Amino acid sequence: AQSVSQHNHHVILSEAASLELGCNYSYGGTVNLFWYVQYPGQHLQLLLKYFSGDPLVKGIKGFEAEFIKSKFSFNLRKPSVQWSDTAEYFCAVRSGGYNKLIFGAGTRLAVHP
Amino acid sequence: ETGVTQTPRHLVMGMTNKKSLKCEQHLGHNAMYWYKQSAKKPLELMFVYNFKEQTENNSVPSRFSPECPNSSHLFLHLHTLQPEDSALYLCASSQDSQRVSYNEQFFGPGTRLTVL
Repeated sequence: AQSVSQHNHHVILSEAASLELGCNYSYGGTVNLFWYVQYPGQHLQLLLKYFSGDPLVKGIKGFEAEFIKSKFSFNLRKPSVQWSDTAEYFCAVRSGGYNKLIFGAGTRLAVHP
Repeated sequence: ETGVTQTPRHLVMGMTNKKSLKCEQHLGHNAMYWYKQSAKKPLELMFVYNFKEQTENNSVPSRFSPECPNSSHLFLHLHTLQPEDSALYLCASSQDSQRVSYNEQFFGPGTRLTVL
């Protein structure tokens, strides 16, 4: 069965620190990859997505992610985090069936001023 | 605001109660989804409706009963739930769940359900 693994359940950083959240998926075929963010008390929203082309994808709010096919990974990065980045981050994969997304368990990021 | 609203935002119910969750989308979409979000677990897709027809039931127990009277409204009827059903229930919508090309899902804020 397809699955998505996020390595860290909880990450704590100070402002201006660099961020990298890991995401690995298990599926050998063509995939579309997503990162969603859920700010406290708010709805899930799309941060960035990869469909094809340049494996380095830039999203909103200074986030980027790199698709490494050989490693089945799609890690999320940001060079300098802000307190407002405190949120839960979800990696998701779409494979095969139409609009069906498989989500990871999420990583809760806390940024201290 | 994503154009997807959910009511109520919070719900506490006993195991013998019957309640319903409501989702409404104002985006002109044709597909609607129910997800369950439990702590430290991946979001679980429960049901998918496309043009009011159920296209996916992800082995969800029968104590959860969805209803989609039109493309803008989706309900989740709850009865004889268990404490382990306590979770955040998210609704989402997209243009069409059956297109080969992906169309973005827009999520509502969720209903926080507690089963006592």
